[in-house]
Amino acid sequence: EAQVTQNPRYLITVTGKKLTVTCSQNMNHEYMSWYRQDPGLGLRQIYYSMNVEVTDKGDVPEGYKVSRKEKRNFPLILESPSPNQTSLYFCASSFGSAKFLSSYTFGSGTRLTVV
Amino acid sequence: AQKITQTQPGMFVQEKEAVTLDCTYDTSDPSYGLFWYKQPSSGEMIFLIYQGSYDQQNATEGRYSLNFQKARKSANLVISASQLGDSAMYFCAMRGVNTNAGKSTFGDGTTLTVKP
Repeated sequence: EAQVTQNPRYLITVTGKKLTVTCSQNMNHEYMSWYRQDPGLGLRQIYYSMNVEVTDKGDVPEGYKVSRKEKRNFPLILESPSPNQTSLYFCASSFGSAKFLSSYTFGSGTRLTVV
Repeated sequence: AQKITQTQPGMFVQEKEAVTLDCTYDTSDPSYGLFWYKQPSSGEMIFLIYQGSYDQQNATEGRYSLNFQKARKSANLVISASQLGDSAMYFCAMRGVNTNAGKSTFGDGTTLTVKP
């Protein structure tokens, strides 16, 4: 089954304790992206990757890191989480050719609480 | 820069009636794509429909159609024959190419409630 797999689904952590949210896709998509969703707001883009070893900042990158060492994986790293990073996080992937614009396939989401 | 505006925080519709969810956008890209996604209360994001900026015809997918008016920079979603299962949050989104390749922008969403 074609899918984007995020882990964990739920996470409660303490301020300052480094964490990683994993994201993996099995569709050979070039493009991957991370978003956060807060109550009353749409999805805001954190980081995206056009292909392996190519990453760039979205609209809200502060406090986050990413890496794209393999095509299928795009982990999101919070090196020193703070309570304002409490949010619902989504990973998404798609084909990346500029010749056409394709829809995203989203992961199921990770609900992160930082206390 | 890209911007998506959804001006209806909440909408109600009677079952079996049609409803239009508004979306206006702004971008400097000459070529772009517009998308609608559905987010049920369970939280997952579901792709509904896509419209390319150079497409001559409005997109349709089953009960979903996109009323694309390029000059007005609007991309409204029309749901025909609403069903109870259509109750969800709906997001309008944009992807660009060229200067905005890789960037995507979502609106704040519209919560649709279908009444029996």
